[in-house]
Amino acid sequence: DSGVTQTPKHLITATGQRVTLRCSPRSGDLSVYWYQQSLDQGLQFLIHYYNGEERAKGNILERFSAQQFPDLHSELNLSSLELGDSALYFCASSATGSGNTIYFGEGSWLTVV
Amino acid sequence: GNSVTQMEGPVTLSEEAFLTINCTYTATGYPSLFWYVQYPGEGLQLLLKATKADDKGSNKGFEATYRKETTSFHLEKGSVQVSDSAVYFCALSDQGGANNLFFGTGTRLTVIP
Repeated sequence: DSGVTQTPKHLITATGQRVTLRCSPRSGDLSVYWYQQSLDQGLQFLIHYYNGEERAKGNILERFSAQQFPDLHSELNLSSLELGDSALYFCASSATGSGNTIYFGEGSWLTVV
Repeated sequence: GNSVTQMEGPVTLSEEAFLTINCTYTATGYPSLFWYVQYPGEGLQLLLKATKADDKGSNKGFEATYRKETTSFHLEKGSVQVSDSAVYFCALSDQGGANNLFFGTGTRLTVIP
């Protein structure tokens, strides 16, 4: 158990809809990261938050957004969903500073039908 | 920029065989290097890491040595077991920038009895 908790574990929704994925980082970790794992794109970094502030953006679509709340949990919002958004979405967390190990949650499986 | 090139799979080995999965990287600074493992139906787990040149990471019989001169971080295990069947990801963390990971494409290992 990495200590990173993600909900829901599985989600099936229709095209055009909006979903929210939730992540609780390991106790004490200020950094939260979101990654997308799909069959055609592999593992891709989406976005990084540190203590409530956005720190880095990767290949995140404009239809996607994220935020980190004062209690350090994070949400990834996916809107106007398309079939190609079907993927496993990972949240990860790390302690402060660079070089710290990043620990992953078990992921949220999103299926868009 | 940062990138990781990983040996393509899938790799199929008999139990007790020797395993090598090649990984080379490109980085602008002095990255930390990682191997993550994803067992069927599960999330990513950190397998081992190395934070500077000539460091050897090891865990569960797996080893990898950070080779700056060849920009490599090959994963090895002397005697694989059926339970090692999983997808293995090599990754690097950029020390100079946001502490996010750049992943290789993953190598699927199947160990047969």
